[in-house]
Amino acid sequence: TAGITQAPTSQILAAGRSMTLRCTQDMRHNAMYWYRQDLGLGLRLIHYSNTAGTTGKGEVPDGYSVSRANTDDFPLTLASAVPSQTSVYFCASSDRSGEGGNEQFFGPGTRLTVL
Amino acid sequence: GQNIDQPTEMTATEGAIVQINCTYQTSGFNGLFWYQQHAGEAPTFLSYNVLDGLEEKGRFSSFLSRSKGYSYLLLKELQMKDSASYLCADMDSNYQLIWGAGTKLIIKP
Repeated sequence: TAGITQAPTSQILAAGRSMTLRCTQDMRHNAMYWYRQDLGLGLRLIHYSNTAGTTGKGEVPDGYSVSRANTDDFPLTLASAVPSQTSVYFCASSDRSGEGGNEQFFGPGTRLTVL
Repeated sequence: GQNIDQPTEMTATEGAIVQINCTYQTSGFNGLFWYQQHAGEAPTFLSYNVLDGLEEKGRFSSFLSRSKGYSYLLLKELQMKDSASYLCADMDSNYQLIWGAGTKLIIKP
């Protein structure tokens, strides 16, 4: 099984340009997440979705938007990229069964550089 | 408030034992997770504790004390492949994970 896939693997983007990072999971998980990971900092939640059709803001949502049209896909869009958005972006999913131990499964990440 | 603290870096010798500590302060608590992350790769799940005590899983064990807001990850019989960052995360009342910055573990022969 593929688990979670992300595309692209890496990207160099000019400041001011827009871009969509793609994320697809085949585990039929209800919840999906977007994180950014920067050196010296923990993973920071950008946006999340508890179930298809709903989204929520995480710790650092400014400059990013998401949509959840179906269970499998959770794209992250940067409307107008800025250099501070240079980071590694991870998509994750979990089966929010309401019980404990809802481990999150991570995609391979997208390394984004904004110049 | 929400705050996760763990050491930035630790060094240990192949074959030895190492303990990585994590303290947390979270409003609401739904469990403590440990993940492993090799350089350039995604985090992968290691363990989950929601009750006090020690959970053993092969060479890795994880301990939780809810009253002290404290957890540790114990790695035994260290192997070179254990060189990685170890991420502590606690799950808050909204089932969101609050992550520490990670502990980079360096294994020396």
